[in-house]
Amino acid sequence: DTEVTQTPKHLVMGMTNKKSLKCEQHMGHRAMYWYKQKAKKPPELMFVYSYEKLSINESVPSRFSPECPNSSLLNLHLHALQPEDSALYLCASSQDKKIGNTIYFGEGSWLTVV
Amino acid sequence: AQTVTQSQPEMSVQEAETVTLSCTYDTSESNYYLFWYKQPPSRQMILVIRQEAYKQQNATENRFSVNFQKAAKSFSLKISDSQLGDTAMYFCAFMKHAGQGAQKLVFGQGTRLTINP
Repeated sequence: DTEVTQTPKHLVMGMTNKKSLKCEQHMGHRAMYWYKQKAKKPPELMFVYSYEKLSINESVPSRFSPECPNSSLLNLHLHALQPEDSALYLCASSQDKKIGNTIYFGEGSWLTVV
Repeated sequence: AQTVTQSQPEMSVQEAETVTLSCTYDTSESNYYLFWYKQPPSRQMILVIRQEAYKQQNATENRFSVNFQKAAKSFSLKISDSQLGDTAMYFCAFMKHAGQGAQKLVFGQGTRLTINP
C-alpha cells in the first residue's frame, strides 16, 4: 500500500478551467516532488519542495502552480492548460531533498485536458 | 550529463523462469545511487531495489537482485522465479544532483515485462 496518497485519481478539465491535484504523505518526509509522465514515457521532474519551500522548478510553464501548505501536503494548481498537458502526474516524497534519499511515489493522477 | 539506457523495450517470459533486465548509465560522478522501479498497470511507481555505488555488494530484495558492474556502468536486474504479478514496466533510474542541494531521478525509457502463465 502506498503511503503517498493522491487525489483525484482521474481528472478531466477544459482549457479554461481551474483545478487542483492534491498529494498527502504521512511518513514524516520533508521533501516532496511532482513528476509528469506522458504516455509510454518515463517520468520527468517538475518541482521539488523541501521543508515547505520550493527548491527546484524545472522550467515548468506558469499554468502549473505548486503549493506546499505544510510538510505533509502538496498541491498542484492547474489553470489554462493545453491538451498536450494531458498526462499522469505523480507525487513523491523522500526523507529530505539530499541525494541518496529514496523517493517514494503515489499512484498518480490521470489528467485529461479537453 | 547523466543518461540511462535500457536496451530492451519489451521482454516476455514464462512464469517461474528467471529474467534479466539490462540497464547502462553514463556519469562522471564517483558516488551515486541507482534504482529499479516497477510500474504495473495501476501506474504507481513502486521501488524494487536500490544500489549505492560505493558499496561493492550487489543489492538483493527477495526474488530481485542486481548485478552492479561499476567499471562497465552496468546495472542489470534479475528476477528469479517470476510471478504473474511481476508483469509491469520496469524503469532503471539514476539519482543525480538537481541544484539547491536537491536530488532528482533520471529514468531510462523502460522495459515492458510480461510474465506468461
